[in-house]
Amino acid sequence: GAVVSQHPSWVICKSGTSVKIECRSLDFQATTMFWYRQFPKQSLMLMATSNEGSKATYEQGVEKDKFLINHASLTLSTLTVTSAHPEDSSFYICSARGPGGGEQYFGPGTRLTVT
Amino acid sequence: AQSVTQPDIHITVSEGASLELRCNYSYGATPYLFWYVQSPGQGLQLLLKYFSGDTLVQGIKGFEAEFKRSQSSFNLRKPSVHWSDAAEYFCAVGPIYNQGGKLIFGQGTELSVKP
Repeated sequence: GAVVSQHPSWVICKSGTSVKIECRSLDFQATTMFWYRQFPKQSLMLMATSNEGSKATYEQGVEKDKFLINHASLTLSTLTVTSAHPEDSSFYICSARGPGGGEQYFGPGTRLTVT
Repeated sequence: AQSVTQPDIHITVSEGASLELRCNYSYGATPYLFWYVQSPGQGLQLLLKYFSGDTLVQGIKGFEAEFKRSQSSFNLRKPSVHWSDAAEYFCAVGPIYNQGGKLIFGQGTELSVKP
């Protein structure tokens, strides 16, 4: 139980285009999902907290107009990287707060490469 | 402020040897504590969690961790390491309810296993 999926697992896009990443909780309802960014050999950096039906809360320094987050249902949150640039290339991971309310269950991650 | 420290960035152990990964935390109340493991290019998998009760918790893959309140520690142990245990390990504390329920992660410890 408590499986989280992400799609796509990897994506290559051209500079200036937008790309959408989906995060789904497959076997539980998640009122809260989180989006992280991870650079090689580093820990996870929380970008934003997403609550179903409301606006996402972004961490300090994260551009909300560049990283659009939508959490329209209890099983789906999306992250759209708008006008992507090479510096946005990274590993993006989502998580969903589990049924117990404490732990987070993580998706497998999405590798974004902007050329 | 809440924080998690993993003092060891990289640890190498021989296959079959015992393992202990250190984690120290700073948290104002009784913490919920977690250990996650991440294989290269993958998301994070929950190894074990401590919410309350018995301070020695058992997890998956033969791992265990002990919560020591007096030392603000939650060290991860395994009696006999397998080559497949080579990965990145993250300790986390939370959820931080007045900050959207996020988790605070340590910097991670990379485990290498010698044959």
